[in-house]
Amino acid sequence: NAGVTQTPKFQVLKTGQSMTLQCAQDMNHNSMYWYRQDPGMGLRLIYYSASEGTTDKGEVPNGYNVSRLNKREFSLRLESAAPSQTSVYFCASAKQGASTDTQYFGPGTRLTVL
Amino acid sequence: AQSVAQPEDQVNVAEGNPLTVKCTYSVSGNPYLFWYVQYPNRGLQFLLKYITGDNLVKGSYGFEAEFNKSQTSFHLKKPSALVSDSALYFCAVRDKGGGGSYIPTFGRGTSLIVHP
Repeated sequence: NAGVTQTPKFQVLKTGQSMTLQCAQDMNHNSMYWYRQDPGMGLRLIYYSASEGTTDKGEVPNGYNVSRLNKREFSLRLESAAPSQTSVYFCASAKQGASTDTQYFGPGTRLTVL
Repeated sequence: AQSVAQPEDQVNVAEGNPLTVKCTYSVSGNPYLFWYVQYPNRGLQFLLKYITGDNLVKGSYGFEAEFNKSQTSFHLKKPSALVSDSALYFCAVRDKGGGGSYIPTFGRGTSLIVHP
């Protein structure tokens, strides 16, 4: 099993450009999450999907959109990138999204917006 | 609202000495507490979790954590540190969100540096 995979691993954008970060999991998990990690800020939740067909905003959703394409895939889109979106982005999944569920994380995407 | 605090940005310890990484929490209901570790340029990996029962939880790589309800703490410990334990450690707590899903809140992370 590959677990949680993310593409691309690195990306450099110019301000105003758009891009989509891809995430896929092969563990048959129902819940998926997108986080951003910034120095001194820990992990902040952008969006999550409790199950296929549902998405909800997290702590920092502005400037982002998501699509739960199917049970395996959860993508994050930046429509018009800004320098403040320079960050490391992590996708995660969990079996049911229940209180006791462990999250499994992908390797991350390092995004720089110039 | 739930919250997690990791009061130390960095912890330094000599190899072979015991280590403690601190975490305190605030939740409205039952606390479900997690520790994750992040090695450089990697995603987070699960270490251990407290759900209920024994206050001392044992996890991966020889780590353990002690749940203390009266002090609302969940400190991560290891009896003898290794240089390879050097990494970023995150404490997390889960509370109920929309659609029946439980949303985790992460602390800011503590950088553990183990000196040879």
